[in-house]
Amino acid sequence: DSGVTQTPKHLITATGQRVTLRCSPRSGDLSVYWYQQSLDQGLQFLIQYYNGEERAKGNILERFSAQQFPDLHSELNLSSLELGDSALYFCASSLSGAHPYEQYFGPGTRLTVT
Amino acid sequence: QQPVQSPQAVILREGEDAVINCSSSKALYSVHWYRQKHGEAPVFLMILLKGGEQKGHDKISASFNEKKQQSSLYLTASQLSYSGTYFCGTEIDNYGQNFVFGPGTRLSVLP
Repeated sequence: DSGVTQTPKHLITATGQRVTLRCSPRSGDLSVYWYQQSLDQGLQFLIQYYNGEERAKGNILERFSAQQFPDLHSELNLSSLELGDSALYFCASSLSGAHPYEQYFGPGTRLTVT
Repeated sequence: QQPVQSPQAVILREGEDAVINCSSSKALYSVHWYRQKHGEAPVFLMILLKGGEQKGHDKISASFNEKKQQSSLYLTASQLSYSGTYFCGTEIDNYGQNFVFGPGTRLSVLP
């Protein structure tokens, strides 16, 4: 158990809908990262937050947005969902946003868009 | 710039050794290694900083050649539990804003 929690575990929704994925980092960790992993694919970095502020942006679509709240939990919002958005979404946390750091991954949320 | 990993996949017998390589076209500040077992989240293995430092964790070790912008992960006397996909992640600076994972190397250890 990494100490990072993600809810929900599974999500099934229809195209065009909007969903919110939630992540609670390990106690004491200030940075949260979001990744997308499609079936048998690698980990695509989406976005990073550090202590409530956006720190780095990856290949995140404009339909997706995220935020980190004062209690350091983070939410990833996915809107106007398409079939291709079906994937496993991981959140990871680290103590800081600067090197050196190791990322602790949550169990993931599996999103299925039908 | 996503790093390149090789091989894409490898199949071993228990007790055999394996080497997984990670290379980049850009000068690297650090290389991170993670292992992901099927259906699970990635798990951190180790970080290597520029300077050619070699690290070890049980029978898994790694080296980082900053001049060649490449890192190698060594798995000796493979165990069944080593099966999974190994990802390297690279940074080109120490600001934590340019971290990117490689495509992964799938390792299968057979009895």
